[in-house]
Amino acid sequence: SQQGEEDPQALSIQEGENATMNCSYKTSINNLQWYRQNSGRGLVHLILIRSNEREKHSGRLRVTLDTSKKSSSLLITASRAADTASYFCAATGANSKLTFGKGITLSVRP
Amino acid sequence: NAGVMQNPRHLVRRRGQEARLRCSPMKGHSHVYWYRQLPEEGLKFMVYLQKENIIDESGMPKERFSAEFPKEGPSILRIQQVVRGDSAAYFCASSFGRAAYGYTFGSGTRLTVV
Repeated sequence: SQQGEEDPQALSIQEGENATMNCSYKTSINNLQWYRQNSGRGLVHLILIRSNEREKHSGRLRVTLDTSKKSSSLLITASRAADTASYFCAATGANSKLTFGKGITLSVRP
Repeated sequence: NAGVMQNPRHLVRRRGQEARLRCSPMKGHSHVYWYRQLPEEGLKFMVYLQKENIIDESGMPKERFSAEFPKEGPSILRIQQVVRGDSAAYFCASSFGRAAYGYTFGSGTRLTVV
């Protein structure tokens, strides 16, 4: 299984602080993706990093990938209350399907 | 481009009834994936379809569940004789190609079995 497992399970920070979320997976992947889910809503694709990439940026998001450790991290800089959501990493292997972790609940206090 | 459209948003069924969940992929996307999310959990893969073909149904229960993606019209996830344990959010995602790109998810159908 290429299951993504996120760490920590829950994170509470003050607005303006940075939030770092980690994800580990088990087998080789084609790419790894991060998604956000607001309570009771669908998933929003945030960023995709391919297996041959080490770091990627998108606005306030920075994602890293270490294939030797089979891990990825998502950094949200200068967090805002609107960033409060659940965040999921999902690994894609050769079989195309995404395998999700259980997610990280991020709370950003105003 | 309306994105991935799922309907209904909420569905209530009595035990033993049938549930039909519909998913219209993004324009130009021919790959559709169904996922189930139980409360406080991540998404679990159910089935991957391409037009008129089931590519991978390894995550779908063998009984009572079926999926199709006809040449014309939306993809349908069908649950027969629903039980309380089927209560969950069911999400559909579509992609342009296999694996290489991010998936676009619909807003989901929340099924409640009473």
